Amino acid sequence: DAGVTQSPTHLIKTRGQQVTLRCSPISGHKSVSWYQQVLGQGPQFIFQYYEKEERGRGNFPDRFSARQFPNYSSELNVNALLLGDSALYLCASSLWTVEGEKLFFGSGTQLSVL
Amino acid sequence: AQSVTQLDSQVPVFEEAPVELRCNYSSSVSVYLFWYVQYPNQGLQLLLKYLSGSTLVKGINGFEAEFNKSQTSFHLRKPSVHISDTAEYFCAVIPKGGANNLFFGTGTRLTVIP
Repeated sequence: DAGVTQSPTHLIKTRGQQVTLRCSPISGHKSVSWYQQVLGQGPQFIFQYYEKEERGRGNFPDRFSARQFPNYSSELNVNALLLGDSALYLCASSLWTVEGEKLFFGSGTQLSVL
Repeated sequence: AQSVTQLDSQVPVFEEAPVELRCNYSSSVSVYLFWYVQYPNQGLQLLLKYLSGSTLVKGINGFEAEFNKSQTSFHLRKPSVHISDTAEYFCAVIPKGGANNLFFGTGTRLTVIP
């Protein structure tokens, strides 16, 4: 089975532009989460979606938005890019369990804002 | 609120020597505890997790961790490291009964010296 796939792997944008990042979860997984990892720091939670509904949101501005499609894939959108948005964006998929999730992470999209 | 502290940002160790990576957490509720590893240009891979039961948890690649509730710690250990263990290691928590999103520490860079 394929793991979590993210596209593109690398992206270069300029300040003020908009970007869309894509994630395909592991087959059968219905939950997708997004994390931002700035260089030298641990990942920070952005969003979680389950069955196409937003189930959690981290402390990020409204410039960040996401959605989940009927096939459980997901897109993360960032508007009006700032230099500080440069980071590795990680997508994770999971089964919803009562014990707490085991997340499977993709390799990420490296976004550089110039 | 939750926070995770990894006291050492960098840990150099000689090949075949033992290593301990330290992690302390703070939370107003009980948590699940995790260690993830990140190899260069890759996503996060789960090493081990503590959900309940025995406080000594064994993971992949010969790693183990011990949950200490009184000291709110979850230190990661390996008795003999290999060159291939060179990577970034992240400690993380999920609050029980919460939204199931991970709160990460800032990471520890383990460098194994030949």
